[in-house]
Amino acid sequence: ETGVTQSPTHLIKTRGQQVTLRCSSQSGHNTVSWYQQALGQGPQFIFQYYREEENGRGNFPPRFSGLQFPNYSSELNVNALELDDSALYLCASVGATGELFFGEGSRLTVL
Amino acid sequence: AQSVSQHNHHVILSEAASLELGCNYSYGGTVNLFWYVQYPGQHLQLLLKYFSGDPLVKGIKGFEAEFIKSKFSFNLRKPSVQWSDTAEYFCAVNPGSGNTGKLIFGQGTTLQVKP
Repeated sequence: ETGVTQSPTHLIKTRGQQVTLRCSSQSGHNTVSWYQQALGQGPQFIFQYYREEENGRGNFPPRFSGLQFPNYSSELNVNALELDDSALYLCASVGATGELFFGEGSRLTVL
Repeated sequence: AQSVSQHNHHVILSEAASLELGCNYSYGGTVNLFWYVQYPGQHLQLLLKYFSGDPLVKGIKGFEAEFIKSKFSFNLRKPSVQWSDTAEYFCAVNPGSGNTGKLIFGQGTTLQVKP
């Protein structure tokens, strides 16, 4: 158990729709990162939030956005879904030693 | 661009065989290095990490890795694998940009250990 929980675990959307994925971080961790893991690939960094501000972003378009709340839980929002957005989305809270604690992910299928 | 390359995509070993998984990264500055493992049906978890100091680091379950700066490598080893080591293994690099939550992952190596 990592103490990081994600919801929903699975969901199916159609092209053009919007989706919100949620993450509850490990207690005391004020930094959260989101990753996209396509089938057969390693996770790709989407962005990082620290104390409710985005402070790092990977090579993802602006339709990928996020929020972090005062209790350090967070959301990943994806607008105008495309077929290639089908993937496992991972949330990770960052420990004081730099270790990332991953949730089990939300598997998104876009039809 | 920064990248991480894992040489083996799929490795099949018998129990008690020795394991070495290769990992190379492309980044010239200070890096923090990680190996993560994902057992079937479970979340990613840390095997070991290197930040500084002794380049030979030991992790959980008998795994170790050696950082060779001149070769930009961080290979994972285990002298004798067990069936329970069947999993996907990811090498990852934090390029020391100050974004502690940003890791660049390799594409992963699937290890299958036959009993």
